[in-house]
Amino acid sequence: EIVLTQSPGTLSLSPGERATLSCRASQSVSSSYLAWYQQKPGQAPRLLIYGASSRATGIPDRFSGSGSGTDFTLTISRLEPEDFAVYYCQQYGSSVWTFGQGTKVEIK
Amino acid sequence: EVQLVQSGAEVKKPGESLKISCKGSGYSFTSYWIGWVRQMPGKGLEWMGIIYPGDSDTRYSPSFQGQVTISADKSISTAYLQWSSLKASDTAMYYCARPMATNRADAFDIWGQGTMVTVSS
Repeated sequence: EIVLTQSPGTLSLSPGERATLSCRASQSVSSSYLAWYQQKPGQAPRLLIYGASSRATGIPDRFSGSGSGTDFTLTISRLEPEDFAVYYCQQYGSSVWTFGQGTKVEIK
Repeated sequence: EVQLVQSGAEVKKPGESLKISCKGSGYSFTSYWIGWVRQMPGKGLEWMGIIYPGDSDTRYSPSFQGQVTISADKSISTAYLQWSSLKASDTAMYYCARPMATNRADAFDIWGQGTMVTVSS
């Protein structure tokens, strides 16, 4: 089973700042089958990025994903008030899919 | 509109059985995998397993193998998650979700609204 470790656990930033979230896999993620989700309190997760770097439908271009192999990054170029939430990475390249433990982006 | 609609919240006692559902609409139900995800109170997302309704091929996370059963009834476009004997530690929100692509691994772009299961004596 591939273990995904996200860092940092919490990111305290101000609106307008840049957010950089990391997701490290315990072994290489096949075909960059890595996704990022955003979850707000009381809501289901929302897909942001798939295939490590492709934005899902309707996702603003301030969200970008990069990486391959075992190291992946989600970048939010300029934080908007609605971007403060919890973010999860997920790999779907092995027979057992797994999520990271999440990074909370909070208002500083 | 493509959507997954889950059954309502449940309150159960330890040792009871339970089956929750996830009904797909607006797409070919038999052509897409359906996954289940657990979220314990205040915690992160955990992938439980996935089923392909077309042929009932099912895969489980080792953490959930033997603890739950995932099934589907393609005649009514519904997937299920069931427990034979609930524990207090099963208290959580459970989401079903559908991958973007047909019949292959992909990110979950469609999510159900979640079913809250509370197990308490």
